[in-house]
Amino acid sequence: TQLLEQSPQFLSIQEGENLTVYCNSSSVFSSLQWYRQEPGEGPVLLVTVVTGGEVKKLKRLTFQFGDARKDSSLHITAAQPGDTGLYLCAGYNNNDMRFGAGTRLTVKP
Amino acid sequence: ETGVTQTPRHLVMGMTNKKSLKCEQHLGHNAMYWYKQSAKKPLELMFVYNFKEQTENNSVPSRFSPECPNSSHLFLHLHTLQPEDSALYLCASSQDLAGWYNEQFFGPGTRLTVL
Repeated sequence: TQLLEQSPQFLSIQEGENLTVYCNSSSVFSSLQWYRQEPGEGPVLLVTVVTGGEVKKLKRLTFQFGDARKDSSLHITAAQPGDTGLYLCAGYNNNDMRFGAGTRLTVKP
Repeated sequence: ETGVTQTPRHLVMGMTNKKSLKCEQHLGHNAMYWYKQSAKKPLELMFVYNFKEQTENNSVPSRFSPECPNSSHLFLHLHTLQPEDSALYLCASSQDLAGWYNEQFFGPGTRLTVL
């Protein structure tokens, strides 16, 4: 079973602060995805990482895939209220995709 | 708007009812998926269809019955559900199974409550 553990489970910060959320597993994944889900909506893909050590940037969001392809992090710089949502990671390997339970982020104005 | 629509958005049903969830994708994709999202639990993959053929059934109870009449439509037929089946049911699609790990598009989900 490829379990993905996300931490922290909940995070509440003020606008302008920086934050990092984590996605960890004991399993190796051939690719890993990050999604954001807003209330009443389905998850929306933010990024896919496939190479160990890979770093991708999406405006104020920086995603990193661990060297061993077992873990990943998402760093947000100068968080804004619009970043509020549930952040999910999902690992894919051998025709199987597993999701973490998510980090619920609240950014207060 | 992701190009994947789901109806109804909310559904309340008794344990003896029979109902169906509908998913439609307007993206020309060939693979479609059903997921279950319960509070504080990871998304659970339920069913996978590729070119209308079911390729995966993740030990889902038989009270959930999927149907894929064509590559654009996916149904989930529900009967004799239990209260613990209350959850958000999400449909997703991707270009094909090879595209699953690259990008999948989710619908907004159906919030199901079983009384």
